[in-house]
Amino acid sequence: GESVGLHLPTLSVQEGDNSIINCAYSNSASDYFIWYKQESGKGPQFIIDIRSNMDKRQGQRVTVLLNKTVKHLSLQIAATQPGDSAVYFCAENSGSGNTGKLIFGQGTTLQVKP
Amino acid sequence: KAGVTQTPRYLIKTRGQQVTLSCSPISGHRSVSWYQQTPGQGLQFLFEYFSETQRNKGNFPGRFSGRQFSNSRSEMNVSTLELGDSALYLCASKRMAGGGNEQFFGPGTRLTVL
Repeated sequence: GESVGLHLPTLSVQEGDNSIINCAYSNSASDYFIWYKQESGKGPQFIIDIRSNMDKRQGQRVTVLLNKTVKHLSLQIAATQPGDSAVYFCAENSGSGNTGKLIFGQGTTLQVKP
Repeated sequence: KAGVTQTPRYLIKTRGQQVTLSCSPISGHRSVSWYQQTPGQGLQFLFEYFSETQRNKGNFPGRFSGRQFSNSRSEMNVSTLELGDSALYLCASKRMAGGGNEQFFGPGTRLTVL
């Protein structure tokens, strides 16, 4: 069945360093991927998305890389700040993002040390 | 612009009871999806409603149901509650036609079943 997984449950980084959060997916039909950030007591917050016809997309301090050959997705956060501390989820959609059905990974907790 | 709102925020029920949760999407958003979040299973898709019709459904028993009204507001119902239904229930809305693919999540309803 479909599954989206992350490699590490917890990632601890020093403030100012770059963070890389990884995700593997299994559905070859996936064509739209999203990264969400969830802070304690809040719902997931959209960070950045990427379609399968791209291999890289950049936002403000964040970059998502997609490697379809090995079905791997990563989120890079530049100059990590204490406010980046949260749980990060990758999610997959096989309807080009036109439906609301997302398959989520288990999440990586990012801890930023001051 | 107001975000996705969910009511109530917290709920305590006992086994065998039924519960109704409410979600108001962002103004102009026509797709509403529901997710269940638990520590063990993570974020799991329940169903999606668009134009008052369910158009996607996850792998949950028939005790979980939902509906959408003409103003796009949505409710989900869980009947014959079980202890395992204790979770954070998240609602997400999406603009659809002409809009981006981003889904915006509400803060969730924390359901505890005793």
